[in-house]
Amino acid sequence: ETGVTQTPRHLVMGMTNKKSLKCEQHLGHNAMYWYKQSAKKPLELMFVYNFKEQTENNSVPSRFSPECPNSSHLFLHLHTLQPEDSALYLCASSQEGPGGGNEKLFFGSGTQLSVL
Amino acid sequence: GQNIDQPTEMTATEGAIVQINCTYQTSGFNGLFWYQQHAGEAPTFLSYNVLDGLEEKGRFSSFLSRSKGYSYLLLKELQMKDSASYLCAVRDSNYQLIWGAGTKLIIKP
Repeated sequence: ETGVTQTPRHLVMGMTNKKSLKCEQHLGHNAMYWYKQSAKKPLELMFVYNFKEQTENNSVPSRFSPECPNSSHLFLHLHTLQPEDSALYLCASSQEGPGGGNEKLFFGSGTQLSVL
Repeated sequence: GQNIDQPTEMTATEGAIVQINCTYQTSGFNGLFWYQQHAGEAPTFLSYNVLDGLEEKGRFSSFLSRSKGYSYLLLKELQMKDSASYLCAVRDSNYQLIWGAGTKLIIKP
């Protein structure tokens, strides 16, 4: 157990569906992240929230919409996705955000997303 | 551009030693991380190097040479449970993490 829980573990959706991924951290961390992991490719940072404020949006298409209602919860809302969006979506948290010094990441097990 | 290179896949024998290399070209350097990821599981932190030299932690050691843009992860007394992917990541001058694609390590009996 890493202290970061993601649901669901697996998700299959059509291109016209709307779904949400959920992440919860029980570590008292101040920063939370969404990453995309595709096979044999480096992790791609999507969004960063530091103290509930979005500090980074790495040119992610608008069909991905993050929400951070508090420092323990993070959502990724999905709509009108494309087949190339199929990947493992990882949530992570750290005590401090980028540049804060203590940025060891604690990851959830991810949501394996398939877009048909 | 910024780049992290690591071998795609390596195979080693149970009880042996294996070295996984990572070379990087980044805009500045503010530390290098190694993470382990078992199939279907969360990546977990293994080590952090910011100064040159070897950091030892049980069976695992990590080495850094900033002048060469090079690091390695050394795993000793390999066990079957060490079969996993090993991810190298470098923090650049803007404190952005640049990730390698990972090295899949296969341990054979």
